[in-house]
Amino acid sequence: EAQVTQNPRYLITVTGKKLTVTCSQNMNHEYMSWYRQDPGLGLRQIYYSMNVEVTDKGDVPEGYKVSRKEKRNFPLILESPSPNQTSLYFCASSSGWGRETQYFGPGTRLLVL
Amino acid sequence: QKEVEQDPGPLSVPEGAIVSLNCTYSNSAFQYFMWYRQYSRKGPELLMYTYSSGNKEDGRFTAQVDKSSKYISLFIRDSQPSDSATYLCAMSNTDKLIFGTGTRLQVFP
Repeated sequence: EAQVTQNPRYLITVTGKKLTVTCSQNMNHEYMSWYRQDPGLGLRQIYYSMNVEVTDKGDVPEGYKVSRKEKRNFPLILESPSPNQTSLYFCASSSGWGRETQYFGPGTRLLVL
Repeated sequence: QKEVEQDPGPLSVPEGAIVSLNCTYSNSAFQYFMWYRQYSRKGPELLMYTYSSGNKEDGRFTAQVDKSSKYISLFIRDSQPSDSATYLCAMSNTDKLIFGTGTRLQVFP
């Protein structure tokens, strides 16, 4: 089954404790991205990657890091989480460079205390 | 002013009704227009994708783009309770991809 998986699905942490949210896709997609979804603000792109070892900032990259060492994986790293990073996070992927037809993962709900 | 405006709803309709969901935008450079459906506690899934102006139909769903008015619509015919979800519009050009905040739709039996 074609899918994007994220782990963990739910996470409660404390300010400053480094965490990683994993994302994996099994569709051999080149394009992968991370979004956060907040009430009243919609989906906002954090980082994206056009292919292995190619990453770029989205609209809200501050406080986040990413890496793309393998085509299927695109982890999101919060080096020092803060309460304003409490949000619902989605990973997405698409074939080629087409951002328009993205497959989204199930989401990771993060609470930073 | 946001680049993409979408009424948050909720929009509540009886089963079988025709639903109209809309977004307005301010950036005339947008070329690609999408509609995503998001069920509660799930990720968004792509419903419709159109390039430039015009209509596109897929089963009970019709997407309409009016670039002159900077207005896009999604029509759902014969709405079903299973259509109850949040609908997100999205639009893009070579520089950016922007999502609307979503309209919550409830279809009651």
